[in-house]
Amino acid sequence: EVQLVESGGGLVKPGGSLRLSCAASGFTFSSYHMNWVRQAPGKGLEWVAYISYGSGNIYYADSVKGRFTISRDNAENSLYLHMNSLKVEDTAVYYCARDQDSGYDSWGQGTLVSVSS
Amino acid sequence: SYELTQPPSVSVSPGQTARITCSGDALPTQYTHWYQQKPGQAPVLVIYKDSERSSGIPERFSGSSSGTTATLTISGVQAEDEADYYCHSAETSGTLWVFGGGTKVTVL
Repeated sequence: EVQLVESGGGLVKPGGSLRLSCAASGFTFSSYHMNWVRQAPGKGLEWVAYISYGSGNIYYADSVKGRFTISRDNAENSLYLHMNSLKVEDTAVYYCARDQDSGYDSWGQGTLVSVSS
Repeated sequence: SYELTQPPSVSVSPGQTARITCSGDALPTQYTHWYQQKPGQAPVLVIYKDSERSSGIPERFSGSSSGTTATLTISGVQAEDEADYYCHSAETSGTLWVFGGGTKVTVL
């Protein structure tokens, strides 16, 4: 069974940093592209970042470019999102999602990041 | 920045047909995918590559795309279909992905 489990969310002050993790199991992690998607409270989905299966291609939404870094460790079956210079508007549930090149077919349960003073 | 436009809400009676549109300038060259999200749950892929039904999704869900508009159709709507639906696609370069604003489907 495909499983994606996010962790690392929490409360952080504006300007602070946080690292999110996504532990993958039940499939060959190194064969799939991965994404981070976030959802602010009561709002819609927002794509955040993409990383190809071998880390050769990485893309970011304009709203996080220069502040967030996506990475992966295929040996550890893990995906990461390093978030710096956090803003109040980064408050959201962050999901990791498996990319089939035809939509995101598996999602984690999400981890909540709250940015507040 | 690239945007996908969806109607905020659609209301439909049980057994009727719900149609949700998604408009975007790059849709003639990029596939559209659709997700269903129920309160407190992660999104679920319903339709991929414009019209392919994801595994385990009932046949009443179908998708199509023509020009700059993609459409998700739910035929014979059931109470359990009440949810938020999001379209998802890429801009022309294929290096930036966006979601539509979401459509809340209410079953009357």
